[in-house]
Amino acid sequence: QVQLQESGPGLVKPSETLSLTCAVSGYSISSGYYWGWIRQPPGKGLEWIGSIYHSGSTYYNPSLKSRVTISVDTSKNQFSLKLSSVTAADTAVYYCASCGSYYEYWGQGTLVTVSS
Amino acid sequence: NFMLTQPHSVSESPGKTVTISCTRSSGSIASNYVQWYQQRPGSSPTTVIYEDNQRPSGVPDRFSGSIDSSSNSASLTISGLKTEDEADYYCQSYDSSNQVFGGGTKLTVL
Repeated sequence: QVQLQESGPGLVKPSETLSLTCAVSGYSISSGYYWGWIRQPPGKGLEWIGSIYHSGSTYYNPSLKSRVTISVDTSKNQFSLKLSSVTAADTAVYYCASCGSYYEYWGQGTLVTVSS
Repeated sequence: NFMLTQPHSVSESPGKTVTISCTRSSGSIASNYVQWYQQRPGSSPTTVIYEDNQRPSGVPDRFSGSIDSSSNSASLTISGLKTEDEADYYCQSYDSSNQVFGGGTKLTVL
């Protein structure tokens, strides 16, 4: 069974960089799948942030592309998200998920609040 | 970029059938697979339909998906509604480099 677990600061100051890591267990990232980040502002819908293939190819939401970096560390079997110049609008629950034909496995999500 | 538009909310009684639509703004709905996710309050989303009309193991056959090229939309149909089906439902699709989620539909079973 594939399991994903997000980790990172729950509070980030405006204009700073949000950094999250997703640890994967039960499956080797280097074996395949896309690995994605999705967020959900409080009381709102899901928004795709971006995805990375195990080879390192990345795909980003055009609306966030200038601020997003997703990377993979196969040695630690984890992948990461960096979102720069955050504002209050970036306050959300951030999910990591694995994607073959669909987002099959999801982390539990982590709430990140942007506030001074 | 394209958008996926869903009704904000639907409601129906237990035992009845409900259909949730998902309309693609540009590009053909048939060009890329559509997925449907169920999200209960406080939980991560789970897949109820993938590749337009496929059910993951463990999802009851009360859940079905379809696409309609004439209206450029996808639909999720839930028959024999149960109170446990009350949740938010999101459609999702993609194009060559982007993935898009619909805005979500709140299903109330009352």
